[in-house]
Amino acid sequence: DTAVSQTPKYLVTQMGNDKSIKCEQNLGHDTMYWYKQDSKKFLKIMFSYNNKELIINETVPNRFSPKSPDKAHLNLHINSLELGDSAVYFCASSLRGGQPQHFGDGTRLSIL
Amino acid sequence: QKEVEQNSGPLSVPEGAIASLNCTYSDRGSQSFFWYRQYSGKSPELIMSIYSNGDKEDGRFTAQLNKASQYVSLLIRDSQPSDSATYLCAVLNSGGYQKVTFGIGTKLQVIP
Repeated sequence: DTAVSQTPKYLVTQMGNDKSIKCEQNLGHDTMYWYKQDSKKFLKIMFSYNNKELIINETVPNRFSPKSPDKAHLNLHINSLELGDSAVYFCASSLRGGQPQHFGDGTRLSIL
Repeated sequence: QKEVEQNSGPLSVPEGAIASLNCTYSDRGSQSFFWYRQYSGKSPELIMSIYSNGDKEDGRFTAQLNKASQYVSLLIRDSQPSDSATYLCAVLNSGGYQKVTFGIGTKLQVIP
């Protein structure tokens, strides 16, 4: 029944490793997003896809690479993890770009 | 840089009182505005969206928009301890990329 689901919920790993976060929505929405929420709780857009096409790509290190195999899925791969990558990463979706967004439960990434 | 400003709080109100949460934004061309609630350790959830100047009411919540003053607010009547959360103001930027910018959020504490 979950509208926007992310896996895993928790990710604890060491510096330098590569990891992926997966997101799926069953709402039939066209647009999906990745946000980063840091320790100060500021929610910042990273990427947005509309029907598998990248439409927003904020100033994010090249180590972050999103991929949307279809409009219901948006994954995030992170290479060479750094301490500053520790945060909660939220996936969200909306019917179209600019519409109200539904958020997943978040993935809490901790870098040792 | 298009900004959304909120007082981070905490804003403390007694149970049963009206809580008033305020937000200003810098993008004069913005047309869509959203309020999200985020409980500690949880994901943001949409409370209200507002698109036209004036008031919009939904139960105990009223959103107010004044585009001339670039100001949007959220009133919570009969505040309950369960309303204690961080309230995020979000603004759809003008310019065609359908990017939503979030404020830092105001932490609300309702005191029983």
